[in-house]
Amino acid sequence: NAGVTQTPKFQVLKTGQSMTLQCAQDMNHNSMYWYRQDPGMGLRLIYYSASEGTTDKGEVPNGYNVSRLNKREFSLRLESAAPSQTSVYFCASSDHGTTADTQYFGPGTRLTVL
Amino acid sequence: GNSVTQMEGPVTLSEEAFLTINCTYTATGYPSLFWYVQYPGEGLQLLLKATKADDKGSNKGFEATYRKETTSFHLEKGSVQVSDSAVYFCALSNYQLIWGAGTKLIIKP
Repeated sequence: NAGVTQTPKFQVLKTGQSMTLQCAQDMNHNSMYWYRQDPGMGLRLIYYSASEGTTDKGEVPNGYNVSRLNKREFSLRLESAAPSQTSVYFCASSDHGTTADTQYFGPGTRLTVL
Repeated sequence: GNSVTQMEGPVTLSEEAFLTINCTYTATGYPSLFWYVQYPGEGLQLLLKATKADDKGSNKGFEATYRKETTSFHLEKGSVQVSDSAVYFCALSNYQLIWGAGTKLIIKP
């Protein structure tokens, strides 16, 4: 039982390049999330998927797209990377996405955009 | 709107000292409250939570009580260890998690 896995762990991009961050969970959770973590700002929600087949914007969706490929996998795509997207990205999942649900986090992807 | 404010860090303590990390919130309705911990180089993990007023969450010697009258959820531990060094995040959930900025805790032997 690996929980939530993310690939890659580290990535360096040049401005304008594209990439996809992969996330998978093996807990049969319905809801999945993408966050970014910047120093002194806590976590900010980029996109979430309440259930398979649905996605919704979070607090900071501009410059990103997501795909809920199936119940297990939720990917985040940067179409044209910008230095402002330098951050640590976390994927998380929860059972039902209700108010009291615990979210389970992956180890993160550290992205640098030059 | 919903927001979470927690004390700025870093907080530096000696081993076996008493810990308090303050967290206050503003929210509509009846949110759940959480403390998550992030150890160096790792993702976040749930430390404890409380789902209604006056509930006390506890885990690994840490405690926090959901105080609706003061809109607070302060984290406490009676005797900290070096292994408690981490970043602690307070969060509230009104269908989405709203996060505090995090408080870095450094415990010196």
